[in-house]
Amino acid sequence: DIQMTQSPSSLSASVGDRVTITCRASQGISNYLAWYQQKPGKVPKLLIYTASTLQSGVPSRFSGSGSGTDFTLTISSLQPEDVATYYCQKYNSAPPTFGQGTKVEIK
Amino acid sequence: EVQLLESGGGLVQPGGSLRLSCAASGFTFSSYAMTWVRQGPGKGLEWVSAISGSGVSTYYADSVKGRFTISRDNSKNTLYLQMNSLRAEDTAVYYCAKHYSSSSLLSDAFDIWGQGTMVTVSS
Repeated sequence: DIQMTQSPSSLSASVGDRVTITCRASQGISNYLAWYQQKPGKVPKLLIYTASTLQSGVPSRFSGSGSGTDFTLTISSLQPEDVATYYCQKYNSAPPTFGQGTKVEIK
Repeated sequence: EVQLLESGGGLVQPGGSLRLSCAASGFTFSSYAMTWVRQGPGKGLEWVSAISGSGVSTYYADSVKGRFTISRDNSKNTLYLQMNSLRAEDTAVYYCAKHYSSSSLLSDAFDIWGQGTMVTVSS
């Protein structure tokens, strides 16, 4: 099975900072990559699919890029409401594996 | 409004069984594949099982294969997960989720999630 590895596992940044999270697949997955946001105590929420397509209603400060094995999620200007754990997920084929998560906190 | 509502969680002894349900509303249930994802206490997301819109095709994570059975009743707009031979490591919040695409793909992004139901396996 293809493994998904996120980095870093956690980060702390100031409000307004640009934040980048990386997700690497152990094999190529084209652009079949989704990003989810899970706020503390809440349900996961789909942010981005097909690596770079923003889900309806998601703020434009979120963006995704990449193809093949290397992907990034960028928050252009970190806001207090962005405190959450972010997960990547590959879905080119079953099983649809998640990364281990990146916890984002405010400094 | 598109909504998923899980039920059926609870406390069960090791080796026991439990059946989870997920009631769907606000979309054409039979047109979408559905998935179960779980999250252990303080842990990340783990995909468990998926089923096609028709119910004909299913897929399981290795960790639950042979013990869990996914099914659906499209006449009742309800998804199920029958969990047998439960182990302590199955303790988790179980979420049902709708596949983003209307195709029969068993691997997809998940655009709608239920609120989750807690399963605790302990003696």
